[in-house]
Amino acid sequence: NAGVTQTPKFRVLKTGQSMTLLCAQDMNHEYMYWYRQDPGMGLRLIHYSVGEGTTAKGEVPDGYNVSRLKKQNFLLGLESAAPSQTSVYFCASKRGQGGEQYFGPGTRLTVT
Amino acid sequence: AQSVTQPDIHITVSEGASLELRCNYSYGATPYLFWYVQSPGQGLQLLLKYFSGDTLVQGIKGFEAEFKRSQSSFNLRKPSVHWSDAAEYFCAVAPTDSWGKLQFGSGTQVVVTP
Repeated sequence: NAGVTQTPKFRVLKTGQSMTLLCAQDMNHEYMYWYRQDPGMGLRLIHYSVGEGTTAKGEVPDGYNVSRLKKQNFLLGLESAAPSQTSVYFCASKRGQGGEQYFGPGTRLTVT
Repeated sequence: AQSVTQPDIHITVSEGASLELRCNYSYGATPYLFWYVQSPGQGLQLLLKYFSGDTLVQGIKGFEAEFKRSQSSFNLRKPSVHWSDAAEYFCAVAPTDSWGKLQFGSGTQVVVTP
């Protein structure tokens, strides 16, 4: 099992450009999450999904959109990137309501 | 408001010495409690978790944590630190009815000196 994988690992964008981050998991997990990590702030939840076709807002959803068309994939989109979105983005998945979250290796995004 | 506090931003410890990292939370009811470790440039790895039962929890890599309801704390400990324990450590909590949405503390950076 690869676990949770994220594509790409690094990306540099100019302000106003768009991009999509892909998260894939091969553990048949129902729940998936997108976090951003900024220095001194821990991880903050952007959006999450409790099953295929569902999405919900987390703590810091503004400027991001997500889709969960397939159970194994959770996409995070930035329609018009801003320098404030420079961060490290982590995806995670979980089997059900209890249990632990498994994290991907992260995507480092820089917006200039 | 719900919160998770890690009071120590940075801790330096000698190899072989003991380590204790503090975590306090403020929630209406006892949440699920977790400790994660993040090595430089890596994702997060779960060290241990507390859902219910025995308040002393054993985890991987020789770590343990103690849940103290009266103090709303879940402190992480290791009796003897190895150089490979240098990393950032995050306490996280999840309300038991919140679809598992984790709330993270701001992290504690651990430096291990020879």
